[in-house]
Formats: sequence, C-alpha cells, structure tokens
Amino acid sequence: DAKTTQPPSMDCAEGRAANLPCNHSTISGNEYVYWYRQIHSQGPQYIIHGLKNNETNEMASLIITEDRKSSTLILPHATLRDTAVYYCIVPSGAGSYQLTFGKGTKLSVIP
Amino acid sequence: DTGVSQNPRHKITKRGQNVTFRCDPISEHNRLYWYRQTLGQGPEFLTYFQNEAQLEKSRLLSDRFSAERPKGSFSTLEIQRTEQGDSAMYLCASSLTSLLDTQYFGPGTRLTVL
Repeated sequence: DAKTTQPPSMDCAEGRAANLPCNHSTISGNEYVYWYRQIHSQGPQYIIHGLKNNETNEMASLIITEDRKSSTLILPHATLRDTAVYYCIVPSGAGSYQLTFGKGTKLSVIP
Repeated sequence: DTGVSQNPRHKITKRGQNVTFRCDPISEHNRLYWYRQTLGQGPEFLTYFQNEAQLEKSRLLSDRFSAERPKGSFSTLEIQRTEQGDSAMYLCASSLTSLLDTQYFGPGTRLTVL
C-alpha cells in the first residue's frame, strides 16, 4: 500500500501557484519523498525529490515540514500543460526499489 | 532522443494470443523496471532487473508473464495466452544504480485484448 495520502483532485487558475499537499506520517528518517506526474496517456514524469531540506528545480519546488510528516509540491505559475495526475511517493526502501503509486491528485488548471 | 523508449506504442490482440513488448532504457542505466497501469489507477510494479538479473517480481506477475533482459540493455515482456484482464498500459522505467535510484519512465505500450 502507498505510504502517502493526497487529495483526489484540485483546481488551479492558470498563472497562479498550484500547491499540492501530501501526508506521509510514517516516513522513516532516511526515506526520500518523490513527486511524479502523469499527463493523460503518457508515462509518469519525474518532477523532484527531497529528504529534509526544501528543494527547487526548473519544474517545481518541494517544501517538506520539519517533522517530515508532510510535504507540498509547488508549481509557481501553473499553465494548462500542467494539468495532470500528481503522485507523491515514498519508495519502499529496505532493498526494494519498486515505486508504489497511490491514486494521486488530479490537478486541473483552468483558463 | 535519449529517453526510455517502448515498442510498440499500441497493441491490439485477440484473447489467447501471445504478445511481446520491448523496452530500451536510457543508455548506461543498469536498472530496468516494468509496471502495469489499468484505467483510473496508478502504475503497479511488476518486476525489475539489475543488469541482466531479474531481482524482484510482484505477485501480479503470473506464470503467463515473462520478462527478460539478456544482455543487460533492452528488455522484453511477454504475455502468453492473453486474457481480457491483461488490457492495460505497460510501462517501463530505468534508473542508474545509486542511493537515490530516480526512475525515468517511457511512454508505455497500451495493450487491448479483444
């Protein structure tokens, strides 16, 4: 089972920031948080990952709370092409490299 | 394009036929993964290889499914005696062995079993 909890859907106005929350209250100290997204009929696309500190790349920012029990993915200026299902994943670890995808958050960017 | 590639992109077959899919990982990535995704669900792990060795298999991988990676480069996934329940998107991903093991996905092969 997925170790994360996400809202099933969210809307965001085009040009505004999209803030996607994720709860991972059972995360262990050495487990990373990964974010992927999947645009309709395409393979999942890696976005960003983090351990403790906030991270930023050309696609998004990741804010992880100090207790590491939750995180927020931020798309600073959402466009229509950001409409997708966003998955927050904490890999199983312990020698297993499989990714366990939950249902994710369906983000709809509205013109 | 240096990303993960998969062929064919679409496959329609009749129940009972065998099908084979191919995945070409990112060059120099030594880990390769197969996932399956049915409509409305997230991808589910099937199996993974490190180089040519198949190191982990999901219970989803029934005995009708077989995956190979003979030279540690491309991989094939074969489904024998297909059933309608096998209709899904089959996704391949690859990663470079490291502590972080970030997986990069291909576009997938959509299988429809009639």
